[in-house]
Amino acid sequence: DVKVTQSSRYLVKRTGEKVFLECVQDMDHENMFWYRQDPGLGLRLIYFSYDVKMKEKGDIPEGYSVSREKKERFSLILESASTNQTSMYLCASSHGDRVFGYTFGSGTRLTVV
Amino acid sequence: QKEVEQNSGPLSVPEGAIASLNCTYSDRGSQSFFWYRQYSGKSPELIMFIYSNGDKEDGRFTAQLNKASQYVSLLIRDSQPSDSATYLCAVNSGNTGKLIFGQGTTLQVKP
Repeated sequence: DVKVTQSSRYLVKRTGEKVFLECVQDMDHENMFWYRQDPGLGLRLIYFSYDVKMKEKGDIPEGYSVSREKKERFSLILESASTNQTSMYLCASSHGDRVFGYTFGSGTRLTVV
Repeated sequence: QKEVEQNSGPLSVPEGAIASLNCTYSDRGSQSFFWYRQYSGKSPELIMFIYSNGDKEDGRFTAQLNKASQYVSLLIRDSQPSDSATYLCAVNSGNTGKLIFGQGTTLQVKP
């Protein structure tokens, strides 16, 4: 069974901490994505990557950075966590071909206090 | 700005009825269309995809696509309480692997 694995299901961090959210996929997918999802705002794209060491900003990149050193791993970094970054974070991956859609990870519920 | 529009609902149907979920999109170049189901507190899971005009059936689910009207829909026959969830419509963005998502429609199936 193909999988996208996010390292933590629930995470509580303090304001100002540096936070790492990890995502690993075992499907040899070229594309990987980070979204956040908040009630009433839907899925919002933070960053995405089409290949190793490549990254592109999504719709809301401010306050975030990413790293993709290996094809299977895509990390989201909150440089200095703030309370407005409390959210559900979803990682997804897909083939380079557009036709197959995304496979999502199970999500990380991050609370910044 | 490429957009995907869905009625947020909630859409309430009785058990056993047909639920009809609708989605419109703005990019005429879109070629791949997806429906995801998301239970509360869970991540989205892909339930249907469609590329060609017309209908595509999979069990109780039917996806319908009309590219001329830029409209895609999902029909759920014999709705069950377990179908109660938020349904997200997604459309490919250009020649990339990126999808544009609608805000989702919440479906409530009442026993």
